[in-house]
Amino acid sequence: EAAVTQSPRSKVAVTGGKVTLSCHQTNNHDYMYWYRQDTGHGLRLIHYSYVADSTEKGDIPDGYKASRPSQENFSLILELASLSQTAVYFCASSDWTGGDERLFFGHGTKLSVL
Amino acid sequence: GQQVQQSPASLVLQEGENAELQCNFSSTATQLQWFYQSPGGSLVSLLSNPSGTKHTGRLTSTTVTKERRSSLHISSSQTTDSGTYLCAPYMGYKLTFGTGTSLLVDP
Repeated sequence: EAAVTQSPRSKVAVTGGKVTLSCHQTNNHDYMYWYRQDTGHGLRLIHYSYVADSTEKGDIPDGYKASRPSQENFSLILELASLSQTAVYFCASSDWTGGDERLFFGHGTKLSVL
Repeated sequence: GQQVQQSPASLVLQEGENAELQCNFSSTATQLQWFYQSPGGSLVSLLSNPSGTKHTGRLTSTTVTKERRSSLHISSSQTTDSGTYLCAPYMGYKLTFGTGTSLLVDP
């Protein structure tokens, strides 16, 4: 079973501060994703990556940066955290091989910006 | 962009009853996945179904891609099925999620 580990599990940050959320996967998946979940909005894609050292913008990238230094690791960076970025953040990985692909999620990081 | 509508928004069943969840999406998709989110928040992929009918355990998914809709049938519901069910069509390696159907199964 695919393993995706996120850290931290929860974080309280101050407005204007820098926040880094980390994600590590151990299944040699090429694709990694960052989603945020808010009540009433479901999961929305922030950034994704399909190869190390390259990231792509998702549907709501403003205010976020992403970094993929290796196949296993994918970070989400909030340079200047704002109240509106309070949400639960999920990392996911997948390997789109043309068959029965599935997305494997981490347990999520609950971020509160005060 | 892709818009995804799920219905009903919430559903309450007695244990043993069946459930039918619907997913409609606005743009062509190459694949569609159904996910389960537990009350604690963890997300698990249930199945992927590009078209036709697919079974796994007590779950049956039917997707009609050209009509941009999919359904998930849960038979003989159990209290442990309680949670939120999300559908996500995908195109170009990106999934777009609906807001889900919240299911509560009472004993």
